[in-house]
Amino acid sequence: GQQLNQSPQSMFIQEGEDVSMNCTSSSIFNTWLWYKQDPGEGPVLLIALYKAGELTSNGRLTAQFGITRKDSFLNISASIPSDVGIYFCAGQQGGSEKLVFGKGTKLTVNP
Amino acid sequence: NAGVTQTPKFQVLKTGQSMTLQCAQDMNHEYMSWYRQDPGMGLRLIHYSVGAGITDQGEVPNGYNVSRSTTEDFPLRLLSAAPSQTSVYFCASSYSGTGAKNIQYFGAGTRLSVL
Repeated sequence: GQQLNQSPQSMFIQEGEDVSMNCTSSSIFNTWLWYKQDPGEGPVLLIALYKAGELTSNGRLTAQFGITRKDSFLNISASIPSDVGIYFCAGQQGGSEKLVFGKGTKLTVNP
Repeated sequence: NAGVTQTPKFQVLKTGQSMTLQCAQDMNHEYMSWYRQDPGMGLRLIHYSVGAGITDQGEVPNGYNVSRSTTEDFPLRLLSAAPSQTSVYFCASSYSGTGAKNIQYFGAGTRLSVL
């Protein structure tokens, strides 16, 4: 089945550092979503992107919908310990509600 | 607001046993779906439903059955559990269509071990 290519797989950073992760695909997506999953919980939506080139912020998080509609990135500025978790990108194609997920980026923040 | 509720949170089965994972949502969402999450694999779609009485297969449907008799409930059935079905299962729901209304909300998951 189709999946998005998400990188990096894992990151180990110091508190206060900035973080960048991205997702790419060989196919076009109409919607890009970024979710965060805390240990033992389900994914929670962070940012939703609906237009090519769109840049959206949510606090210290910023995400962009790539111009080609085949990629997206997520930046986290000034990381804090509660940023720890797994971040997933997800995309929707055409008129379908179905989500295609990346394999996730596991973030560890050292205080 | 309860959102998406999954039960049980944990389950241990023996090979060959059957069970039903429950999922209920109180947001009047038309679309509901089941995913499984395995280490390093992300979330993979098992089955989904666009409304009561309508279900369809996702990426990894083998070994699982679903039905959708009401808008609120979308149970996932394992008829004969296998060790390969050891995983964390998530249910999600959203309004139908695409765009700003179509944000999928996830339950807290069911952690299943098949021995």
